[in-house]
Amino acid sequence: DTGVSQDPRHKITKRGQNVTFRCDPISEHNRLYWYRQTLGQGPEFLTYFQNEAQLEKSRLLSDRFSAERPKGSFSTLEIQRTEQGDSAMYLCASSPPAQGAFGYTFGSGTRLTVV
Amino acid sequence: QKEVEQNSGPLSVPEGAIASLNCTYSDRGSQSFFWYRQYSGKSPELIMFIYSNGDKEDGRFTAQLNKASQYVSLLIRDSQPSDSATYLCAVNMDSSYKLIFGSGTRLLVRP
Repeated sequence: DTGVSQDPRHKITKRGQNVTFRCDPISEHNRLYWYRQTLGQGPEFLTYFQNEAQLEKSRLLSDRFSAERPKGSFSTLEIQRTEQGDSAMYLCASSPPAQGAFGYTFGSGTRLTVV
Repeated sequence: QKEVEQNSGPLSVPEGAIASLNCTYSDRGSQSFFWYRQYSGKSPELIMFIYSNGDKEDGRFTAQLNKASQYVSLLIRDSQPSDSATYLCAVNMDSSYKLIFGSGTRLLVRP
């Protein structure tokens, strides 16, 4: 296991379409995080999971966004009815037990372009 | 007011100089502070974290924290062209595992 894996790396979609991204964390990491980063800005927190439980969600995560981590392993982030403002890099990170914020490893991200 | 503020730069320094990157934060409940480096098109990578007032050194990097002034900085000694990147400051409160990031400072190290 070499790191956090995200798929796809790039996604171009038409406005109004639904998209789903996948994140595979480092296997022994129990916490998984989703962030969104737009050009010239730092990553913005969206949500995080501890095992399969979604423990915190940002107000940025509108009704069109949903995230799951059904078996406490990989996670998916779905955006319904995409808008141009959703264009961004979506970053996934994971951290091991007892390290929390000190042990983040980020994936390479999924770049979403909504046209 | 943004929770974590950084000057967007670019900060341009000659090779071999000291680069000084600064960050202020608004929430006095912030407990831990992180510096990440992000190359263009890549994901952030952790350089250092600090949670006690004072200085913390790791190789060419020194993080400085002043909780009374709500200020954290990163010094990069003997700057190299390979240090050219965006440096992100992030803060964390013990009650949460999320990180609040600043918008980053772009550093250019001139050969």
